[in-house]
Amino acid sequence: SAVISQKPSRDICQRGTSLTIQCQVDSQVTMMFWYRQQPGQSLTLIATANQGSEATYESGFVIDKFPISRPNLTFSTLTVSNMSPEDSSIYLCSVDQGSQMGQYFGPGTRLTVL
Amino acid sequence: KQEVTQIPAALSVPEGENLVLNCSFTDSAIYNLQWFRQDPGKGLTSLLLIQSSQREQTSGRLNASLDKSSGRSTLYIAASQPGDSATYLCAVTGGGNKLTFGTGTQLKVEL
Repeated sequence: SAVISQKPSRDICQRGTSLTIQCQVDSQVTMMFWYRQQPGQSLTLIATANQGSEATYESGFVIDKFPISRPNLTFSTLTVSNMSPEDSSIYLCSVDQGSQMGQYFGPGTRLTVL
Repeated sequence: KQEVTQIPAALSVPEGENLVLNCSFTDSAIYNLQWFRQDPGKGLTSLLLIQSSQREQTSGRLNASLDKSSGRSTLYIAASQPGDSATYLCAVTGGGNKLTFGTGTQLKVEL
């Protein structure tokens, strides 16, 4: 299975600032996803990161708030813009490993907004 | 819209006990179902994946079943150990390979 890393692992940020989270995979993958896990909640899909085209966002998430880049098949970034305390969550990236293996997740980025 | 529910929300058992976690989903048009484990403040570890055409999968002390027509899956953990303490999440894969997650079961195995 793919090995996925995320940077930073955690951060504490001030209201109104932006944070960019990086996701690196050790092999080329077609589909990458970004999820949010709010405190005490399950995971919610933010968007599908498409290589060479714009990300596809789920209902309730917009590009201006969560811009995503996918410059190649092993890397993606998620930016959380103009942060508020409500953005405090764990942000996770995942990759699709095919129908036999399913999705694998990175270790997550724990974000706290003051 | 797919909705996934897990029962119970929390479970505390003594070491050595066999246990069953339940997952139900509203839309049976799924490609597969995955069970994950999440330790506090950590990412997700994939435990088992069941294809929509399969009935069950086994890995060590874990056995997962799937009844697609009734929208149900169970995760059976045999001879539970304190190291099994974690939150267990089920997720179903729908169109676009998107995962819809359940609400999770927080398991505590006590000595």
